Amino acid sequence: EIVVTQSPGTLSLSAGERATLSCRASQSVSSNFLAWYQQKPGQAPRLLIYGASSRATGIPDRFSGSGSGTDFTLTISRLEPEDFAVYYCQQYGSSPFTFGPGTKVDIK
Amino acid sequence: EVQLVESGGGLVQPGGSLRLSCAASGFTFSGSSMNWVRQAPGKGLEWVSYVSSGSAAKFFADSVKGRFTISRDNAKNSLYLQMNSLRAEDTAVYYCARGGGSGRSPFDYWGQGTLVTVSS
Repeated sequence: EIVVTQSPGTLSLSAGERATLSCRASQSVSSNFLAWYQQKPGQAPRLLIYGASSRATGIPDRFSGSGSGTDFTLTISRLEPEDFAVYYCQQYGSSPFTFGPGTKVDIK
Repeated sequence: EVQLVESGGGLVQPGGSLRLSCAASGFTFSGSSMNWVRQAPGKGLEWVSYVSSGSAAKFFADSVKGRFTISRDNAKNSLYLQMNSLRAEDTAVYYCARGGGSGRSPFDYWGQGTLVTVSS
């Protein structure tokens, strides 16, 4: 099983700042099958990034993903008020399709 | 518009059973793999199970293997999760989520979830 970890657990920032979220897998993720999701309270998760760096339909270009192998990054270039949420990474290259524990981005 | 609507959640005693359903619309259901993902109260996401578009492949998390089964009815555009021998730690919101046509696909659409509470 590929174990996925995320850091930091919480990121306290102000609107307009840059957010950098990290995701690390215990083994290389095949073909960079790595996704990022955003979840707001009381809502279902929303797909942001797939294939480590491809934005999902309708996702603003302030969201970008990078990385390969075992180390991946989600960057939000300038935080908007609606971006304060919890972010999860997930590897979907091999079963079980494990999620990381999440990074909460909250308002400083 | 893609829609996934879960139902069947509720309160069940430990050791009991429950069957969740997910009604899909707005896309070619028979061409998509499907997943169940759960979220315990105040906790993170946990992938539970996967079924391929034609039901040939099914995968389960170790935490539910042998207790849960996944199935689908492509004629009815519906996904199911049969949950047996339920435990307190199965308490969670259960989401159905669409994968792609292949086994290695991100979960691009999610339902709003159905709450399962296992308690005496």
